[in-house]
Amino acid sequence: TQLLEQSPQFLSIQEGENLTVYCNSSSVFSSLQWYRQEPGEGPVLLVTVVTGGEVKKLKRLTFQFGDARKDSSLHITAAQPGDTGLYLCAGNSGGSNYKLTFGKGTLLTVNP
Amino acid sequence: GAVVSQHPSWVICKSGTSVKIECRSLDFQATTMFWYRQFPKQSLMLMATSNEGSKATYEQGVEKDKFLINHASLTLSTLTVTSAHPEDSSFYICSARGVEIRRSPLHFGNGTRLTVT
Repeated sequence: TQLLEQSPQFLSIQEGENLTVYCNSSSVFSSLQWYRQEPGEGPVLLVTVVTGGEVKKLKRLTFQFGDARKDSSLHITAAQPGDTGLYLCAGNSGGSNYKLTFGKGTLLTVNP
Repeated sequence: GAVVSQHPSWVICKSGTSVKIECRSLDFQATTMFWYRQFPKQSLMLMATSNEGSKATYEQGVEKDKFLINHASLTLSTLTVTSAHPEDSSFYICSARGVEIRRSPLHFGNGTRLTVT
């Protein structure tokens, strides 16, 4: 069973601070996705990274895929209260169903 | 973009009754759907993978007879929680993937909050 270790599990910061969330595995993934979920709703896709070493930016969010495609990070610059939510990384191991393995999630709270 | 609709968004039922949750792909044909369970402030736990026209594949520890999954068409999968008990109370989420978006990410429904009293 492929596992994704996500850290930290909880993070509470002040508006304007920077933060990084990590997602690590001993397994190689064909792609890795980051989602953000708000209470009572389904996860919303933020980004998909496919190539080892890939870096993608989405406004104040920077996503990086490790060279070996075993780990990834999400960096948020100048966090805002609207960034509050559950951030989930999910690895796609390939296979006929392209089943995703989810990390345990990082619950981020950005205080005004 | 691709849309997945889940219904109902919340349901309250009495212990011992059964509840059916629907997951529909609105603008694409979903050959594969996934059902997840999520506890408060925790991540998604995959329960089963559902392929159209065949039996669902359940993850280890998930009771097949308790959580009945039917994927009878390319746009609809259902999850029936049979003889529900309070410990079945949870947030259930479906996601769908279609042939034409095979290498694309999953599209998630908005979840169903089940409360068993």
